[in-house]
Amino acid sequence: GESVGLHLPTLSVQEGDNSIINCAYSNSASDYFIWYKQESGKGPQFIIDIRSNMDKRQGQRVTVLLNKTVKHLSLQIAATQPGDSAVYFCAETPQSNSGYALNFGKGTSLLVTP
Amino acid sequence: ETGVTQTPRHLVMGMTNKKSLKCEQHLGHNAMYWYKQSAKKPLELMFVYNFKEQTENNSVPSRFSPECPNSSHLFLHLHTLQPEDSALYLCASSHPRKNTEAFFGQGTRLTVV
Repeated sequence: GESVGLHLPTLSVQEGDNSIINCAYSNSASDYFIWYKQESGKGPQFIIDIRSNMDKRQGQRVTVLLNKTVKHLSLQIAATQPGDSAVYFCAETPQSNSGYALNFGKGTSLLVTP
Repeated sequence: ETGVTQTPRHLVMGMTNKKSLKCEQHLGHNAMYWYKQSAKKPLELMFVYNFKEQTENNSVPSRFSPECPNSSHLFLHLHTLQPEDSALYLCASSHPRKNTEAFFGQGTRLTVV
């Protein structure tokens, strides 16, 4: 079946460095992608989204890049801070009868060290 | 706060118990979801409700029974669960259209003993 997966389960970066979290997807018909952040003991929180008619979108300290040719999505976090330590999930809207439900990848744990 | 509230936050239940999880949102959304999050697994979609009607049951065992009395409330009734059902159960809501973000609650940490 279609799936969304993450390249690395864990990522450790130093405070102040830039972080890059990658995600591969297999559904070439997916047209909407989201990055979520989940801190310990909390539910996933929306970070940024991108539609398939774009290849880049920027938010506050975050940038999402979409490469439809290789079906790859990345999240870049600039000047990573300790508060960025969390699990990051990419998600996409699969083609299904539900139409709206998101399909999630496994998650990458980001650890920011001082 | 995301505007989606789940209760209880933690629940321990025996395999013969019956309990219910509650989710409430006042965001004006008409789509609500139950997801299961187990350790080292992706979030698994369980149920989808659009305008109070169940539109998807993702092959979930019958020991999980959802209920959506109105667009703002969603329940997950639990009975005769197994230890492997222990997980974080997340409720989410969204506008009932494609390509829109979902807002998640804090989840209920369920332990089946």
